Amino acid sequence: DAKTTQPNSMESNEEEPVHLPCNHSTISGTDYIHWYRQLPSQGPEYVIHGLTSNVNNRMASLAIAEDRKSSTLILHRATLRDAAVYYCILRDYRTGAGYALNFGKGTSLLVTP
Amino acid sequence: SAVISQKPSRDICQRGTSLTIQCQVDSQVTMMFWYRQQPGQSLTLIATANQGSEATYESGFVIDKFPISRPNLTFSTLTVSNMSPEDSSIYLCSVGTGSISAYTFGSGTRLTVV
Repeated sequence: DAKTTQPNSMESNEEEPVHLPCNHSTISGTDYIHWYRQLPSQGPEYVIHGLTSNVNNRMASLAIAEDRKSSTLILHRATLRDAAVYYCILRDYRTGAGYALNFGKGTSLLVTP
Repeated sequence: SAVISQKPSRDICQRGTSLTIQCQVDSQVTMMFWYRQQPGQSLTLIATANQGSEATYESGFVIDKFPISRPNLTFSTLTVSNMSPEDSSIYLCSVGTGSISAYTFGSGTRLTVV
């Protein structure tokens, strides 16, 4: 079962910041928080990941709560191309198989002009 | 990051038949994964296919229904056997290189069973 909780959907205006929340209250001390997104008719793509400190890359920022039980993906200026389903993920370890991404329901982000 | 070619991109199949989906990667990868995405739903992991070992199936998925081959570090196949309309889904291949951020996905195979 997915170990994260996200809102089903969110809406943003174009060129405004978007804050996508995620709860992961059962996170362990070694779990990284991963964010992937799935654009329409495409496979998921990597967005960002972090452990304890806030993280920035060219796509987004990740703000992680001090207790690590929640995090927020920040898109600084949403564009129409950012309309996608965003997944917050904690990896699962499979004995004999390694770590796999376990997808929850994700947040469907609608960006309006 | 790895580039994945997944074939076919879509197919319409008769119930009772089988379809084999191919996943070709442009570099050697340790971990390969197969996912199913039912209409309007999130991705569900079917199995992990590591080269040199039997595939590891998730609860609810069995080898007789979804046999997987992993002959080398750049290729894998997933077969959907004895198909029924309930198997209509998008099937996606994914690879991991061991780096924590490096999971790449193919564009998927959209399967319709009639």
